[in-house]
Amino acid sequence: EAQVTQNPRYLITVTGKKLTVTCSQNMNHEYMSWYRQDPGLGLRQIYYSMNVEVTDKGDVPEGYKVSRKEKRNFPLILESPSPNQTSLYFCASSLSGTGDTAQHFGDGTRLSIL
Amino acid sequence: LAKTTQPISMDSYEGQEVNITCSHNNIATNDYITWYQQFPSQGPRFIIQGYKTKVTNEVASLFIPADRKSSTLSLPRVSLSDTAVYYCLVGDIRRNNNDMRFGAGTRLTVKP
Repeated sequence: EAQVTQNPRYLITVTGKKLTVTCSQNMNHEYMSWYRQDPGLGLRQIYYSMNVEVTDKGDVPEGYKVSRKEKRNFPLILESPSPNQTSLYFCASSLSGTGDTAQHFGDGTRLSIL
Repeated sequence: LAKTTQPISMDSYEGQEVNITCSHNNIATNDYITWYQQFPSQGPRFIIQGYKTKVTNEVASLFIPADRKSSTLSLPRVSLSDTAVYYCLVGDIRRNNNDMRFGAGTRLTVKP
């Protein structure tokens, strides 16, 4: 089954404790991206990757890191999480990074930073 | 970057046809129009995509007038399970879709 898998689905942690949210897709998609969704602010893009070893900042990259060493994986790293990063996070992938390809989203990761 | 404008919310009743219109006055020649559906605490799901005229799939229809400055998502005979937020996105087939921004979307509530 074609899917985007995020782990963990839920995480409660404390300020400053490094964490990684993994994202994997099995559709051989070139494009992957991370979003965060907050009430009243909608979906905002954090980082995106056009292909392996190619990443770029989205609208809200501060406090986050990403890497794309393999085509299927695009982990989101919070080196020193803070409470303002408490949010619902979504990973997405698409065949290419162009406007005529649909994005496939994971089920989301709910992070709570205390 | 083509900005999109949608109604914040809409109400409907089961069995009715629902039309959600999105305005994109600055749409460029190479831009496609894509609609997504999102249920609470789930990732957005692709519904339909088009460039011009009309596109239909098993879920919805998308109407795009000749000037392409707006588009209308049509959901036939909605049910309670169609209650969700619907997003309209416009994106260039040449550039990466970082140019596509998810706006506030339209919150559709279907009542019994």
